[in-house]
Amino acid sequence: GAGVSQSPRYKVAKRGQDVALRCDPISGHVSLFWYQQALGQGPEFLTYFQNEAQLDKSGLPSDRFFAERPEGSVSTLKIQRTQQEDSAVYLCASSLDTGVSVEAFFGQGTRLTVV
Amino acid sequence: QQQVKQSPQSLIVQKGGIPIINCAYENTAFDYFPWYQQFPGKGPALLIAIRPDVSEKKEGRFTISFNKSAKQFSLHIMDSQPGDSATYFCAASKATGNQFYFGTGTSLTVIP
Repeated sequence: GAGVSQSPRYKVAKRGQDVALRCDPISGHVSLFWYQQALGQGPEFLTYFQNEAQLDKSGLPSDRFFAERPEGSVSTLKIQRTQQEDSAVYLCASSLDTGVSVEAFFGQGTRLTVV
Repeated sequence: QQQVKQSPQSLIVQKGGIPIINCAYENTAFDYFPWYQQFPGKGPALLIAIRPDVSEKKEGRFTISFNKSAKQFSLHIMDSQPGDSATYFCAASKATGNQFYFGTGTSLTVIP
């Protein structure tokens, strides 16, 4: 595809339910990032992949959050036992090169609502 | 702790006006400063970016001014149009890091 694709666009989960959010980065992009954006706030870093290697997961808020990119392309962010405070838009971004001092392209995000 | 501080939170200008959005940072290791534009329901899109070796960068109607000694940078939108109405985020990153640090955003409304 032409851009970063995320699915689903919207997800409503009952508290305690597990969810999986998918990101299809731009083909050939080495770097992949996940961000969490609360309502009215800027995106907050969650985790970073370089190909299939998860090099930084310092932003994951708890051990309920888990991300993977097993073949270095598609990535999945999984949240176990969702809580209300997990409600946010989850953004995925990818860039052609390694590191962050290059242009990153964002997807439209997945809006997660935990009820 | 907010690594990048952004102001104002919201801004309303008339069509043709020049809105200015300001950002400040503390970490001198930052070496890349992008501005992102976000429309409702969309992801952020890169607008323009600058590195600390230049004091100004212009792309079309968008200009970044960068003051390295003051650790501040700002976005100016010339001849603003209603289609520029969106939320703008400044950000910063360091070459040795793995993440962007975003400001809290500025909601811009351009009145026709």
